[in-house]
Amino acid sequence: AQSVAQPEDQVNVAEGNPLTVKCTYSVSGNPYLFWYVQYPNRGLQFLLKYITGDNLVKGSYGFEAEFNKSQTSFHLKKPSALVSDSALYFCAVRDMPSSASKIIFGSGTRLSIRP
Amino acid sequence: GAGVSQSPSNKVTEKGKDVELRCDPISGHTALYWYRQRLGQGLEFLIYFQGNSAPDKSGLPSDRFSAERTGESVSTLTIQRTQQEDSAVYLCASSLGVWGRDSDTQYFGPGTRLTVL
Repeated sequence: AQSVAQPEDQVNVAEGNPLTVKCTYSVSGNPYLFWYVQYPNRGLQFLLKYITGDNLVKGSYGFEAEFNKSQTSFHLKKPSALVSDSALYFCAVRDMPSSASKIIFGSGTRLSIRP
Repeated sequence: GAGVSQSPSNKVTEKGKDVELRCDPISGHTALYWYRQRLGQGLEFLIYFQGNSAPDKSGLPSDRFSAERTGESVSTLTIQRTQQEDSAVYLCASSLGVWGRDSDTQYFGPGTRLTVL
């Protein structure tokens, strides 16, 4: 069965510093991997995804994520954090795409950027 | 608009009453998901519809919860005999659901905030 883990409930970073939000996954086949963001009082928004190809995926708002097959990880990164990046971030995975597989979300990581 | 819509946006009900939540997916999206998000917590998968396949109901927490979908259109999530622990935001998402690079990007609705008194 597929699963995804976000080991950190909260990540605190000073504005201007690089940030990393961790995600690890477990699938039986090849994964589709996603990051979503939920800003306060707003709906979930798609940030980026990895399907195949380059291991470094670039997404919205300057975020990127690196797919590491050997470590089964898909950590979200940004070189320089902004206060406006403060939000709840969710990693998600889908196993080898088929009509039977669904997308599973991690428990979420709250990112807090201090001025 | 072209996004996922949900209604009502807010629902307050008394314990023991039944409620029905509605989701209108993006036109042409064959996959539809329901999630529950309790205050300050993550997304809890409830049910997944994919085309004409039998739905994946593995996330429904009890037999008080059920969902239906009319073809590849509207879906309704019904909670019978609501309990206080059912209070949460119920999110619906849809995706193209077919093979391809863009098939799995989910588009979320604004959610229905359910409060059970």
